[in-house]
Amino acid sequence: GNSVTQMEGPVTLSEEAFLTINCTYTATGYPSLFWYVQYPGEGLQLLLKATKADDKGSNKGFEATYRKETTSFHLEKGSVQVSDSAVYFCALTDNNDMRFGAGTRLTVKP
Amino acid sequence: DTAVSQTPKYLVTQMGNDKSIKCEQNLGHDTMYWYKQDSKKFLKIMFSYNNKELIINETVPNRFSPKSPDKAHLNLHINSLELGDSAVYFCASSQARSYEQYFGPGTRLTVT
Repeated sequence: GNSVTQMEGPVTLSEEAFLTINCTYTATGYPSLFWYVQYPGEGLQLLLKATKADDKGSNKGFEATYRKETTSFHLEKGSVQVSDSAVYFCALTDNNDMRFGAGTRLTVKP
Repeated sequence: DTAVSQTPKYLVTQMGNDKSIKCEQNLGHDTMYWYKQDSKKFLKIMFSYNNKELIINETVPNRFSPKSPDKAHLNLHINSLELGDSAVYFCASSQARSYEQYFGPGTRLTVT
């Protein structure tokens, strides 16, 4: 069945560091891919999405590119801030329900 | 204008009790969901539901039952609560099953 694998955390960075959180997927067909963010004590919020190969999703300085050849959707940000500290979830949908990765906790220190 | 709301935000109860968590969405979405998030932040889908179809994750005990009085509401009823039911429960909705989902703020359930 379809699944998502994302890098295990936790990830700890200093402010202004470069962020990469790896995500790879297994799917039949052509899934849509998503990154969600969960801030402490809150629900998940959609951060960005891409619906077809080579699409780039971007929001709040975060980017991810749908790479069909490597079945990947890695999340990147050039300069993280303390306020980016959260848990990040990679996810996919095909014609069925959304599949989430295990989540990666990011802590950004001043 | 909260898109997906849940009540209560916190619920503390004793083993063996029956409790309900309410969820409402004002997005006009056709599909709603319940998720359980454990202490390690792992998300497990419990149910997905629209007005035509209820899909139950086969690993969910039958003590858990979704109840939908109308398209905008999907409540979660839990019978005979157990210690292992302690978790954060999230409601979500989407336009259809393959579309992005919008989450509520969560209900932290503690069973003592």
